[in-house]
Amino acid sequence: AQSVTQLGSHVSVSEGALVLLRCNYSSSVPPYLFWYVQYPNQGLQLLLKYTSAATLVKGINGFEAEFKKSETSFHLTKPSAHMSDAAEYFCAVSYTGRRALTFGSGTRLQVQP
Amino acid sequence: EPEVTQTPSHQVTQMGQEVILRCVPISNHLYFYWYRQILGQKVEFLVSFYNNEISEKSEIFDDQFSVERPDGSNFTLKIRSTKLEDSAMYFCASSLGQLNQPQHFGDGTRLSIL
Repeated sequence: AQSVTQLGSHVSVSEGALVLLRCNYSSSVPPYLFWYVQYPNQGLQLLLKYTSAATLVKGINGFEAEFKKSETSFHLTKPSAHMSDAAEYFCAVSYTGRRALTFGSGTRLQVQP
Repeated sequence: EPEVTQTPSHQVTQMGQEVILRCVPISNHLYFYWYRQILGQKVEFLVSFYNNEISEKSEIFDDQFSVERPDGSNFTLKIRSTKLEDSAMYFCASSLGQLNQPQHFGDGTRLSIL
């Protein structure tokens, strides 16, 4: 079955430190890949998307993600964490020919002062 | 920026009752979706809808569920006879036509079945 794996259900970083949230997908054909963020009591907000145009994708709020086909990965990074980045982050994939998004289990990012 | 709106934000219903969750997708979007997130679990796809028809559905979307676009703006999810395990956050989303276009989500309706 096609799946999305997010390593680490909780990640804690210090303010100003690098943020790295991991996402791996299972498919021999590169899917469309998305990162969403969910703040408390809010919906899912699109951070960025990969749709085969460029392997390094820049999103909102200083986040970016790199698609690596050889590693079937789409990890999310931000050079310097801000307190306002504390939220839950979801990697999502739509596989070939399908619109349904398959979500990872999410990573809760905590930013320490 | 246009957004997807969902009502109500919280719905409490007795087990066995019918419930209708409402969504207003972004106006120029063509595809509409429902997802659910049971507390502590992954966000799961339920159904997608295009041109007044279901275009894709998951195994979760059984006969107790139905979707409808009753007018030009609303998109609804009906659960016919609710069960305790239907308690979840239900998200509506919409997207443009192309497969690579992202889905835009509403803030969700928290459904609590008593």
